[in-house]
Amino acid sequence: DQQVKQNSPSLSVQEGRISILNCDYTNSMFDYFLWYKKYPAEGPTFLISISSIKDKNEDGRFTVFLNKSAKHLSLHIVPSQPGDSAVYFCAASAGAGTALIFGKGTTLSVSS
Amino acid sequence: DTGVSQDPRHKITKRGQNVTFRCDPISEHNRLYWYRQTLGQGPEFLTYFQNEAQLEKSRLLSDRFSAERPKGSFSTLEIQRTEQGDSAMYLCASSLDPENSPLHFGNGTRLTVT
Repeated sequence: DQQVKQNSPSLSVQEGRISILNCDYTNSMFDYFLWYKKYPAEGPTFLISISSIKDKNEDGRFTVFLNKSAKHLSLHIVPSQPGDSAVYFCAASAGAGTALIFGKGTTLSVSS
Repeated sequence: DTGVSQDPRHKITKRGQNVTFRCDPISEHNRLYWYRQTLGQGPEFLTYFQNEAQLEKSRLLSDRFSAERPKGSFSTLEIQRTEQGDSAMYLCASSLDPENSPLHFGNGTRLTVT
Protein backbone atom coordinates (compact mmCIF):
# COMPACT_ATOMS: atom_id res chain seq x y z
CA ASP A 1 0.00 0.00 0.00
CA GLN A 2 1.24 3.43 -0.89
CA GLN A 3 1.63 5.68 2.11
CA VAL A 4 2.58 8.70 0.00
CA LYS A 5 0.61 9.34 -3.17
CA GLN A 6 1.20 11.74 -6.01
CA ASN A 7 -1.85 11.21 -8.18
CA SER A 8 -0.80 13.41 -11.09
CA PRO A 9 1.98 11.78 -13.12
CA SER A 10 2.56 14.97 -15.09
CA LEU A 11 1.86 18.70 -15.14
CA SER A 12 2.44 21.25 -17.90
CA VAL A 13 2.67 24.96 -17.12
CA GLN A 14 3.64 28.07 -19.03
CA GLU A 15 6.65 30.09 -17.97
CA GLY A 16 5.75 32.76 -15.46
CA ARG A 17 2.61 31.00 -14.23
CA ILE A 18 2.14 29.11 -10.98
CA SER A 19 2.88 25.38 -10.72
CA ILE A 20 0.99 23.46 -8.04
CA LEU A 21 2.08 19.91 -7.25
CA ASN A 22 -0.03 17.85 -4.90
CA CYS A 23 0.69 15.01 -2.50
CA ASP A 24 -1.54 12.93 -0.19
CA TYR A 25 -0.47 10.65 2.62
CA THR A 26 -2.18 7.99 4.69
CA ASN A 27 0.09 7.49 7.72
CA SER A 28 -0.98 9.82 10.53
CA MET A 29 2.39 9.24 12.23
CA PHE A 30 4.20 11.21 9.51
CA ASP A 31 5.52 14.45 11.01
CA TYR A 32 8.12 15.67 8.53
CA PHE A 33 7.52 16.27 4.85
CA LEU A 34 9.91 17.11 2.06
CA TRP A 35 9.95 17.85 -1.66
CA TYR A 36 12.76 16.73 -3.91
CA LYS A 37 13.51 17.61 -7.51
CA LYS A 38 15.18 15.15 -9.87
CA TYR A 39 16.79 15.74 -13.25
CA PRO A 40 17.59 12.78 -15.55
CA ALA A 41 20.79 10.89 -14.66
CA GLU A 42 21.07 12.71 -11.32
CA GLY A 43 20.04 11.89 -7.79
CA PRO A 44 17.12 13.68 -6.14
CA THR A 45 17.95 17.16 -4.85
CA PHE A 46 16.36 18.48 -1.67
CA LEU A 47 14.08 21.43 -2.32
CA ILE A 48 12.04 22.37 0.73
CA SER A 49 10.61 20.76 3.87
CA ILE A 50 7.93 21.33 6.48
CA SER A 51 7.34 19.83 9.89
CA SER A 52 3.87 18.96 11.15
CA ILE A 53 3.83 21.86 13.61
CA LYS A 54 3.63 24.29 10.70
CA ASP A 55 1.16 24.72 7.86
CA LYS A 56 3.35 26.73 5.51
CA ASN A 57 7.02 27.10 4.67
CA GLU A 58 8.43 29.42 2.06
CA ASP A 59 11.80 29.58 0.35
CA GLY A 60 12.09 32.00 -2.54
CA ARG A 61 9.82 30.88 -5.37
CA PHE A 62 8.90 27.68 -3.54
CA THR A 63 6.18 27.36 -0.90
CA VAL A 64 4.96 24.17 0.72
CA PHE A 65 1.52 24.02 2.35
CA LEU A 66 0.48 21.30 4.80
CA ASN A 67 -3.12 20.42 5.64
CA LYS A 68 -2.88 17.82 8.41
CA SER A 69 -6.60 17.22 8.73
CA ALA A 70 -6.80 16.36 5.04
CA LYS A 71 -3.41 14.59 5.05
CA HIS A 72 -2.47 16.70 2.07
CA LEU A 73 0.48 18.84 1.09
CA SER A 74 1.23 20.90 -1.94
CA LEU A 75 4.22 22.61 -3.50
CA HIS A 76 3.70 25.95 -5.19
CA ILE A 77 6.30 27.32 -7.59
CA VAL A 78 5.81 30.90 -8.66
CA PRO A 79 6.81 32.13 -11.12
CA SER A 80 7.61 28.88 -12.92
CA GLN A 81 10.74 28.82 -15.06
CA PRO A 82 11.83 26.39 -17.81
CA GLY A 83 14.69 25.24 -15.55
CA ASP A 84 12.07 23.95 -13.11
CA SER A 85 11.20 21.19 -15.57
CA ALA A 86 12.02 17.98 -13.68
CA VAL A 87 10.42 15.15 -11.71
CA TYR A 88 9.20 16.27 -8.29
CA PHE A 89 8.96 13.77 -5.44
CA CYS A 90 7.03 14.21 -2.24
CA ALA A 91 8.46 12.36 0.78
CA ALA A 92 7.48 11.89 4.42
CA SER A 93 8.91 10.40 7.58
CA ALA A 94 7.51 9.41 10.98
CA GLY A 95 10.28 10.69 13.21
CA ALA A 96 14.01 11.18 13.58
CA GLY A 97 16.05 8.53 11.90
CA THR A 98 13.11 6.76 10.29
CA ALA A 99 13.10 6.07 6.59
CA LEU A 100 11.81 8.66 4.16
CA ILE A 101 8.86 7.29 2.18
CA PHE A 102 8.58 8.70 -1.34
CA GLY A 103 5.70 9.14 -3.73
CA LYS A 104 5.99 8.08 -7.38
CA GLY A 105 6.72 11.58 -8.58
CA THR A 106 5.15 14.21 -10.83
CA THR A 107 6.89 15.30 -14.02
CA LEU A 108 6.67 19.08 -14.38
CA SER A 109 7.17 20.64 -17.80
CA VAL A 110 7.49 24.41 -17.98
CA SER A 111 7.27 25.81 -21.50
CA SER A 112 8.61 29.19 -22.55
CA ASP B 1 31.16 20.50 -0.25
CA THR B 2 31.89 17.47 -2.40
CA GLY B 3 28.46 15.94 -1.93
CA VAL B 4 27.60 12.25 -1.78
CA SER B 5 29.75 10.20 -4.15
CA GLN B 6 28.76 6.85 -5.61
CA ASP B 7 30.87 4.42 -7.60
CA PRO B 8 30.47 3.07 -10.21
CA ARG B 9 27.89 5.18 -12.07
CA HIS B 10 26.90 2.26 -14.25
CA LYS B 11 27.27 -1.50 -13.87
CA ILE B 12 26.25 -4.18 -16.36
CA THR B 13 26.46 -7.73 -15.11
CA LYS B 14 25.24 -11.16 -16.06
CA ARG B 15 22.59 -12.92 -14.05
CA GLY B 16 24.12 -14.88 -11.19
CA GLN B 17 27.15 -12.66 -10.73
CA ASN B 18 27.90 -10.67 -7.56
CA VAL B 19 28.20 -6.89 -7.63
CA THR B 20 29.35 -4.34 -5.06
CA PHE B 21 28.64 -0.61 -4.98
CA ARG B 22 30.38 2.04 -2.92
CA CYS B 23 29.03 5.22 -1.35
CA ASP B 24 31.05 8.03 0.21
CA PRO B 25 28.74 10.30 2.23
CA ILE B 26 29.22 13.98 3.00
CA SER B 27 32.06 13.93 5.52
CA GLU B 28 30.28 15.27 8.61
CA HIS B 29 27.11 13.25 8.04
CA ASN B 30 26.73 10.29 10.40
CA ARG B 31 23.57 8.84 8.86
CA LEU B 32 23.72 6.91 5.61
CA TYR B 33 20.84 5.43 3.62
CA TRP B 34 20.50 3.13 0.63
CA TYR B 35 17.50 3.41 -1.67
CA ARG B 36 16.51 1.70 -4.90
CA GLN B 37 14.58 3.34 -7.74
CA THR B 38 12.97 1.65 -10.72
CA LEU B 39 11.34 3.28 -13.74
CA GLY B 40 8.19 5.22 -12.88
CA GLN B 41 8.62 4.77 -9.16
CA GLY B 42 9.93 6.89 -6.36
CA PRO B 43 13.01 5.85 -4.38
CA GLU B 44 12.32 2.83 -2.14
CA PHE B 45 14.09 2.52 1.19
CA LEU B 46 16.50 -0.41 1.59
CA THR B 47 18.58 0.17 4.70
CA TYR B 48 19.98 2.82 7.05
CA PHE B 49 23.12 3.28 9.15
CA GLN B 50 23.86 5.58 12.02
CA ASN B 51 27.64 5.67 12.17
CA GLU B 52 28.68 2.02 11.74
CA ALA B 53 25.47 0.54 13.13
CA GLN B 54 22.86 -0.75 10.67
CA LEU B 55 19.66 0.33 12.41
CA GLU B 56 16.92 -0.54 9.95
CA LYS B 57 16.43 -2.86 6.99
CA SER B 58 13.48 -2.95 4.65
CA ARG B 59 11.72 -6.21 3.86
CA LEU B 60 12.72 -5.37 0.27
CA LEU B 61 16.29 -6.25 1.26
CA SER B 62 16.46 -9.98 0.53
CA ASP B 63 19.15 -12.30 1.87
CA ARG B 64 21.13 -11.70 -1.31
CA PHE B 65 21.67 -8.07 -0.32
CA SER B 66 24.16 -6.99 2.32
CA ALA B 67 25.34 -3.56 3.32
CA GLU B 68 28.22 -2.50 5.50
CA ARG B 69 29.60 0.73 6.83
CA PRO B 70 32.92 -0.06 8.49
CA LYS B 71 34.23 2.71 10.75
CA GLY B 72 31.14 4.77 10.06
CA SER B 73 32.55 6.35 6.92
CA PHE B 74 31.95 4.94 3.42
CA SER B 75 29.42 2.18 2.81
CA THR B 76 29.19 -0.76 0.43
CA LEU B 77 26.11 -2.53 -0.89
CA GLU B 78 26.65 -6.04 -2.23
CA ILE B 79 24.17 -8.03 -4.24
CA GLN B 80 24.92 -11.73 -4.56
CA ARG B 81 23.62 -13.98 -7.35
CA THR B 82 22.05 -11.06 -9.20
CA GLU B 83 18.66 -11.48 -10.87
CA GLN B 84 17.12 -9.47 -13.70
CA GLY B 85 14.68 -7.99 -11.20
CA ASP B 86 17.62 -6.36 -9.43
CA SER B 87 18.07 -3.98 -12.38
CA ALA B 88 17.49 -0.51 -10.95
CA MET B 89 19.14 2.72 -9.88
CA TYR B 90 20.74 2.31 -6.44
CA LEU B 91 20.85 5.60 -4.57
CA CYS B 92 22.86 6.47 -1.50
CA ALA B 93 22.00 9.40 0.76
CA SER B 94 23.43 10.91 3.91
CA SER B 95 22.21 13.29 6.56
CA LEU B 96 23.22 14.94 9.79
CA ASP B 97 22.16 13.57 13.16
CA PRO B 98 19.72 16.25 14.31
CA GLU B 99 16.09 15.38 13.99
CA ASN B 100 14.49 16.23 10.68
CA SER B 101 17.59 16.81 8.62
CA PRO B 102 17.01 16.37 4.89
CA LEU B 103 18.69 13.55 3.04
CA HIS B 104 21.31 14.48 0.47
CA PHE B 105 21.50 12.01 -2.39
CA GLY B 106 24.29 10.91 -4.66
CA ASN B 107 23.79 10.46 -8.40
CA GLY B 108 23.29 6.74 -8.02
CA THR B 109 24.63 3.54 -9.54
CA ARG B 110 22.58 2.17 -12.42
CA LEU B 111 22.63 -1.62 -12.40
CA THR B 112 21.64 -3.63 -15.47
CA VAL B 113 21.42 -7.39 -15.07
CA THR B 114 21.37 -9.25 -18.41
